[in-house]
Amino acid sequence: QQQVKQSPQSLIVQKGGISIINCAYENTAFDYFPWYQQFPGKGPALLIAIRPDVSEKKEGRFTISFNKSAKQFSLHIMDSQPGDSATYFCAAPAARDNYGQNFVFGPGTRLSVLP
Amino acid sequence: DTEVTQTPKHLVMGMTNKKSLKCEQHMGHRAMYWYKQKAKKPPELMFVYSYEKLSINESVPSRFSPECPNSSLLNLHLHALQPEDSALYLCASSQGGLAMGEQFFGPGTRLTVL
Repeated sequence: QQQVKQSPQSLIVQKGGISIINCAYENTAFDYFPWYQQFPGKGPALLIAIRPDVSEKKEGRFTISFNKSAKQFSLHIMDSQPGDSATYFCAAPAARDNYGQNFVFGPGTRLSVLP
Repeated sequence: DTEVTQTPKHLVMGMTNKKSLKCEQHMGHRAMYWYKQKAKKPPELMFVYSYEKLSINESVPSRFSPECPNSSLLNLHLHALQPEDSALYLCASSQGGLAMGEQFFGPGTRLTVL
């Protein structure tokens, strides 16, 4: 069974700073690695995802860096804002048959951006 | 419409009650999921339906019974639950098929078992 490690568990950043969250996975035959953002009382929402035919993907202030050989990927949030305060989950594909597909989520990182 | 809806938003039930959670999507997705999320923990997969067939059951106790009446609807029937089953129950959907892709999550049902 796939296992996903995520660090740090919690992160406090000043407004305008850079937030960096790291993930490591064990094994996967599938190439799709998403980051989800979850606000209190809400369901997770896709923030950004990468298919590792590229080593980096940028969308606005959010960047995923992917190191396939190290089985690691990270999320960088540039110019962090108080509205970014949320819990962030990375995910990696788990075992899948021809009919279903599912992810294993990392334990999560609680980000607090101070004004 | 890129929304997954879930009802009810909150549910309080006794250990002898029978209740159902409902989930609906109109994105034409063919894979639907139930997750359980405890406080300060990641979502844990319970069930996966693909093309209306149950494809993954993550060893969930039989007091949870999923049902997929059609490609847009997913139910979770609850019976004789325990207090430790109190959690946020999330429904999600994705395009399905062989390509991995985004899962769209609903807002969840907050379940309290007394």
